[in-house]
Amino acid sequence: DAKTTQPPSMDCAEGRAANLPCNHSTISGNEYVYWYRQIHSQGPQYIIHGLKNNETNEMASLIITEDRKSSTLILPHATLRDTAVYYCIVRVASSNDYKLSFGAGTTVTVRA
Amino acid sequence: GAVVSQHPSRVICKSGTSVKIECRSLDFQATTMFWYRQFPKKSLMLMATSNEGSKATYEQGVEKDKFLINHASLTLSTLTVTSAHPEDSSFYICSASDDSGQQFFGPGTRLTVL
Repeated sequence: DAKTTQPPSMDCAEGRAANLPCNHSTISGNEYVYWYRQIHSQGPQYIIHGLKNNETNEMASLIITEDRKSSTLILPHATLRDTAVYYCIVRVASSNDYKLSFGAGTTVTVRA
Repeated sequence: GAVVSQHPSRVICKSGTSVKIECRSLDFQATTMFWYRQFPKKSLMLMATSNEGSKATYEQGVEKDKFLINHASLTLSTLTVTSAHPEDSSFYICSASDDSGQQFFGPGTRLTVL
């Protein structure tokens, strides 16, 4: 499975958009980009995923570059409750026994 | 979204005892469940993949005789830490896959071995 690279930490101001980058230059054609986040002492929470088109849901937007080698997760209006570790993972979506490999993620701190 | 529960949420035990952690998918059937371990300030590490009705597949370096996994039904998988020692103290998290392959995570179980 392709590896991802994320910055170790990021600060952002409450109410502002948070843009979280992820590099996945070795992604395969059938691999999706998934984003999860983990709030302290809780299990990871699914945020969004995409293949090549940009995606938006109630939590975030996902922008994937045309060559699919990188992506950006956008939290449009960050709140203090968005403080968490954000993980970018690439995997094949269709198989239900495909394991997720978690990297170090980006620790996002939202400040008032 | 789908809900996965874990029980207990927190357990403290004496060294040498065994501890069982349950993982349940509450509103969907999960043919595959995963068990992760997370040490403080570290990322999640996959321990094993559990398939209903068959033996679990363990990751390299994870002792299958120490971490017993049973996946007896489509909604329940259990992890038993046998003869626990202080170094087994960790945050144990399970996840369950639905038919689309999406994984939903439980809230985690904090194990402290004295």
